[in-house]
Amino acid sequence: GQQVMQIPQYQHVQEGEDFTTYCNSSTTLSNIQWYKQRPGGHPVFLIQLVKSGEVKKQKRLTFQFGEAKKNSSLHITATQTTDVGTYFCAGSGYGGSQGNLIFGKGTKLSVKP
Amino acid sequence: NAGVTQTPKFRVLKTGQSMTLLCAQDMNHEYMYWYRQDPGMGLRLIHYSVGEGTTAKGEVPDGYNVSRLKKQNFLLGLESAAPSQTSVYFCASEGVRRGNQPQHFGDGTRLSIL
Repeated sequence: GQQVMQIPQYQHVQEGEDFTTYCNSSTTLSNIQWYKQRPGGHPVFLIQLVKSGEVKKQKRLTFQFGEAKKNSSLHITATQTTDVGTYFCAGSGYGGSQGNLIFGKGTKLSVKP
Repeated sequence: NAGVTQTPKFRVLKTGQSMTLLCAQDMNHEYMYWYRQDPGMGLRLIHYSVGEGTTAKGEVPDGYNVSRLKKQNFLLGLESAAPSQTSVYFCASEGVRRGNQPQHFGDGTRLSIL
């Protein structure tokens, strides 16, 4: 079945350093979404990418969707302590049960002040 | 704005006991989902519903049952709880195009089975 792999599992950075998490799917995706989960909280939607090669920015966050629509990345520039949490990618296939989101296992980011 | 509300927030059960987790959404969303989250495993789909009166199995459905008698509510039942079902359970809802819109999550239910 469809699988979404995410690396790294953990990332520890010094405040001000950059951070990147990568997501790869075993199949072509119709779209990919990114979520952030703060410690003890619930996943919160960040963004959705739909088009091949799409790049979107939200302040210090840059999201990319690969040309083949099988991979994606989230890059945070100059991390802050407020960026702490687990970042999940979630991909959706085409039709039927593949319309469900398949979540990666997440990248847990810790930021040292 | 309530969004997605889950009850209870915490529960401890003994092996073999049964319970029902309730999820309610006030956004008139068609689609609803139950996930479980375990350390290092991300979110795994248990069951989902594409509309009132419908349910379908997800990735890890064994040991769980669901019902969606009303559009705004999605219930998750454990008939005979097992320690392997110790987890954090999240309910989510989605608007009108499945898999192509943001999912809105509840705060979660932290369930321990002894």
